[in-house]
Amino acid sequence: AQSVTQLGSHVSVSEGALVLLRCNYSSSVPPYLFWYVQYPNQGLQLLLKYTSAATLVKGINGFEAEFKKSETSFHLTKPSAHMSDAAEYFCAVSSGGYQKVTFGTGTKLQVIP
Amino acid sequence: GAVVSQHPSWVICKSGTSVKIECRSLDFQATTMFWYRQFPKQSLMLMATSNEGSKATYEQGVEKDKFLINHASLTLSTLTVTSAHPEDSSFYICSATFLDSGTYNEQFFGPGTRLTVL
Repeated sequence: AQSVTQLGSHVSVSEGALVLLRCNYSSSVPPYLFWYVQYPNQGLQLLLKYTSAATLVKGINGFEAEFKKSETSFHLTKPSAHMSDAAEYFCAVSSGGYQKVTFGTGTKLQVIP
Repeated sequence: GAVVSQHPSWVICKSGTSVKIECRSLDFQATTMFWYRQFPKQSLMLMATSNEGSKATYEQGVEKDKFLINHASLTLSTLTVTSAHPEDSSFYICSATFLDSGTYNEQFFGPGTRLTVL
């Protein structure tokens, strides 16, 4: 069984401030972890993924996430928020192969000018 | 690469009618396609998994007779909502994966279809 918990359904940050979106996972096998971004009325775009290689994963648009097994976490960060980062972010977990992906409930990021 | 399209992007229909949504992988052969449903301000809920040439596997609680899925080719899967009712109004998103995805299950998502049933 696998699951993902995203802490905070809404996060507000000022433009230029640090972005931190939290994600904790549960998996009975070594997980594959993903962060997706969704803009209104659009599909999902992959930001980054962890596939058991480097624990610090760099993605697109300046985002990165660190896999911490001891904390079962995969938090998403960006040093400086931009207005265009305002969107919904989903953390997801899979056990690999063609196993299904389980999504968290999402965190809506608001960027304040 | 790895582009997935959906058609239509939005559809409005009357209650009781059927609606077909297409999901296409444009530049790769998709061995597996997934259909998700997303209610407003909620996460994606997997409805079913379909493999080319075989019957779809539905998640618990999803009515397979209401949500007909056909995966007739490696580049096309269709979802038909039969006898649609207002409670079926939702955002439907498909995704696809392919043989060379490696050991991890990277899915490539379509842009979604907004269904409104009047």
